[in-house]
Amino acid sequence: TQLLEQSPQFLSIQEGENLTVYCNSSSVFSSLQWYRQEPGEGPVLLVTVVTGGEVKKLKRLTFQFGDARKDSSLHITAAQPGDTGLYLCAGPDMDSNYQLIWGAGTKLIIKP
Amino acid sequence: GAGVSQTPSNKVTEKGKYVELRCDPISGHTALYWYRQSLGQGPEFLIYFQGTGAADDSGLPNDRFFAVRPEGSVSTLKIQRTERGDSAVYLCASSLSGQGNSPLHFGNGTRLTVT
Repeated sequence: TQLLEQSPQFLSIQEGENLTVYCNSSSVFSSLQWYRQEPGEGPVLLVTVVTGGEVKKLKRLTFQFGDARKDSSLHITAAQPGDTGLYLCAGPDMDSNYQLIWGAGTKLIIKP
Repeated sequence: GAGVSQTPSNKVTEKGKYVELRCDPISGHTALYWYRQSLGQGPEFLIYFQGTGAADDSGLPNDRFFAVRPEGSVSTLKIQRTERGDSAVYLCASSLSGQGNSPLHFGNGTRLTVT
């Protein structure tokens, strides 16, 4: 069974600091998606990483897919209060061509 | 264009009552998913539609839960004899194809509270 473990579960830091959150598995994924969910809203896709070793940047957010395609990280530079939210990673289920395996998320709070 | 719309946004009901939750997906999206989410957790899969048919309902907790998508667009999740444990946010998502790497577009969810 494929599992995605996200760490830390919770992170609270001051505005301006840098941070990294992780999405790890013992299984290989063909791709991984990162979503951000704000309170009272549904998750919104930030990025999809597909190639092992791939790095994608979205303004102050840097996403990396591990060389072996078993893990991914999200690094935020100079975090801002608007970055607050639940960060979820998800990847396609190998046994299904339509299901996603979801991590439990990292709840991030950026204090002004 | 319009995103995924879910109604109502909040629903409070008494234990034992019947509720219906509605999802209006993005036009043209053939795949539709229902998820349930508890506070601070990832989405828990309930059911997947491809077109009008429920291709996978293995995530429905028990036979009190049922969902339909009669015309391949709007879907309704129906919960009979609600229990306090059914309280959660019910999320609907649609995607263009339903392929595992096809991004999901979520609605804002219906927060169900069973008292």
